[in-house]
Amino acid sequence: QKEVEQDPGPLSVPEGAIVSLNCTYSNSAFQYFMWYRQYSRKGPELLMYTYSSGNKEDGRFTAQVDKSSKYISLFIRDSQPSDSATYLCAMRGSQGNLIFGKGTKLSVKP
Amino acid sequence: GAVVSQHPSWVICKSGTSVKIECRSLDFQATTMFWYRQFPKQSLMLMATSNEGSKATYEQGVEKDKFLINHASLTLSTLTVTSAHPEDSSFYICSAGTVAPNTGELFFGEGSRLTVL
Repeated sequence: QKEVEQDPGPLSVPEGAIVSLNCTYSNSAFQYFMWYRQYSRKGPELLMYTYSSGNKEDGRFTAQVDKSSKYISLFIRDSQPSDSATYLCAMRGSQGNLIFGKGTKLSVKP
Repeated sequence: GAVVSQHPSWVICKSGTSVKIECRSLDFQATTMFWYRQFPKQSLMLMATSNEGSKATYEQGVEKDKFLINHASLTLSTLTVTSAHPEDSSFYICSAGTVAPNTGELFFGEGSRLTVL
């Protein structure tokens, strides 16, 4: 079992829809959880950064962490065509490095 | 957030030549820098961890003699792909963190796309 599992999609939604992106992980020691957005041919851009369990909201984005289920989510409200990108979940490893999911490719249609 | 600059953003080279990629933290001191590689439609895979003033730690399967990493200062790390081959063509991305890498955020460069002919 891989340390971080993420459905690669692709996921296509109409503009204005609520998008739900998810990852599962196997290492219960992970405490720091991140969501990155990556546009084609660009480096990842940090969207959300959460510690331990709970919710964090930033504008249209909400990140949820459920450590008991080893499950994290990113919700995008009122999705826009500009949200079309690949979304990567990531967790901090014991050496400080990031362990990434495969990324989910999202397309928001006007 | 903090800015990490990577240069060049893209490079094309002939097989057998060496290519150097620079990663700079512009507004903070990065004690730790990470180098990732991303093949098309794949996730980022960690290649090595670079700590200022010490030797880099390479992930299993990454040839340290082929991918030379130097982290001579708190704001600069370089990755040199030696004797590049077409299979080394990939998107190389660095990320940098501050003194407490296990708690601090990591910031990414824009990536360097290497094409080896």
